Amino acid sequence: AQKVTQAQTEISVVEKEDVTLDCVYETRDTTYYLFWYKQPPSGELVFLIRRNSFDEQNEISGRYSWNFQKSTSSFNFTITASQVVDSAVYFCALGRDDKIIFGKGTRLHILP
Amino acid sequence: DGGITQSPKYLFRKEGQNVTLSCEQNLNHDAMYWYRQDPGQGLRLIYYSQIVNDFQKGDIAEGYSVSREKKESFPLTVTSAQKNPTAFYLCASSIFGGNTEAFFGQGTRLTVV
Repeated sequence: AQKVTQAQTEISVVEKEDVTLDCVYETRDTTYYLFWYKQPPSGELVFLIRRNSFDEQNEISGRYSWNFQKSTSSFNFTITASQVVDSAVYFCALGRDDKIIFGKGTRLHILP
Repeated sequence: DGGITQSPKYLFRKEGQNVTLSCEQNLNHDAMYWYRQDPGQGLRLIYYSQIVNDFQKGDIAEGYSVSREKKESFPLTVTSAQKNPTAFYLCASSIFGGNTEAFFGQGTRLTVV
């Protein structure tokens, strides 16, 4: 069975602090894909990153970075020097050939 | 502009009535999805389709129906059999399926009174 667990329901940090959002997944597939999405208050999901199961390289994009570790089945997301505009719900997702399933999301509050 | 269009943004219906949510994409994507979002529940998969005239049930398909007669369109009908239809519904599409990122519409907030 496939499953995505985001144990952190809600996080609040003060602006400029670093914050890490955790994501743990379960799958029996050897080929799979991992995603992160951002959902701002407007409601529309915004794609952030895609990783396949054979690529464990960490990725950095500006203030965002992702740490993929197959040994722990984790795909964590770090925001460095957080800003108020980062306040949103963040979803981790797991994809296989036919579908994508999502975790329950982490609501992130960046306090000014 | 290419994208996914869901309409309407807000929808109100009386209990016991069927209602159809529209989803259209002009991205030429093969795969389309419907998700339901409830507070604290994340996104739960209702139905998905990899190709025209074919679709599969997701985790919470009971009380819903879909059709995929055209590549661009994947309408979702919420039937009277759905016990708790009030929710935020999101439609998405991807190029091939779960191995490519999905792009989402703006969502439809359905309220049944």
